[in-house]
Amino acid sequence: NAGVTQTPKFQVLKTGQSMTLQCAQDMNHNSMYWYRQDPGMGLRLIYYSASEGTTDKGEVPNGYNVSRLNKREFSLRLESAAPSQTSVYFCASSERNEQFFGPGTRLTVL
Amino acid sequence: GEDVEQSLFLSVREGDSSVINCTYTDSSSTYLYWYKQEPGAGLQLLTYIFSNMDMKQDQRLTVLLNKKDKHLSLRIADTQTGDSAIYFCAESIAFGASKIIFGSGTRLSIRP
Repeated sequence: NAGVTQTPKFQVLKTGQSMTLQCAQDMNHNSMYWYRQDPGMGLRLIYYSASEGTTDKGEVPNGYNVSRLNKREFSLRLESAAPSQTSVYFCASSERNEQFFGPGTRLTVL
Repeated sequence: GEDVEQSLFLSVREGDSSVINCTYTDSSSTYLYWYKQEPGAGLQLLTYIFSNMDMKQDQRLTVLLNKKDKHLSLRIADTQTGDSAIYFCAESIAFGASKIIFGSGTRLSIRP
């Protein structure tokens, strides 16, 4: 059981470039989430997916898109990266009320 | 709106007890959580408490909930160097997809 996995671990982008952060879980959870973590601000929810085929905006969705490809995978896309999107990104999955987190992707936008 | 507040830093001596405090605003919270984040890692659930409980104990961890004051605390007995981490308080206000609102985290450092 790998739990929640994320790729890549680190990424450096130039302003305007695009990329997709990948997330997969092997716990058969229905709900999946994308958060960003910035110093002194805790975690902020970008998007979540209550079940396969549905996605909803969280607190800070602007500049991001998501795809719930199947029950296992939930990807986060930055179409045109901006320096304000420099952050650590965490994917999580849950069943009921306990969330399980991936190890994070550290993204720097120059 | 929903908000969760924590102090940013706490320093304790090894072997002492650590008490990390948290306040939240939404009285309809159903679950309250403590997560631990070690350097370079994701968050791990330490413990959680249902809103109809006042206290929960799990080995060295004691969670106290004061619903009237909307105050949650985490006590770590006999604090060890391995307890150095950031501790996040969080609340869940909706069942199902369960959006969880996180505090900004308290960085616990241990003095020898």
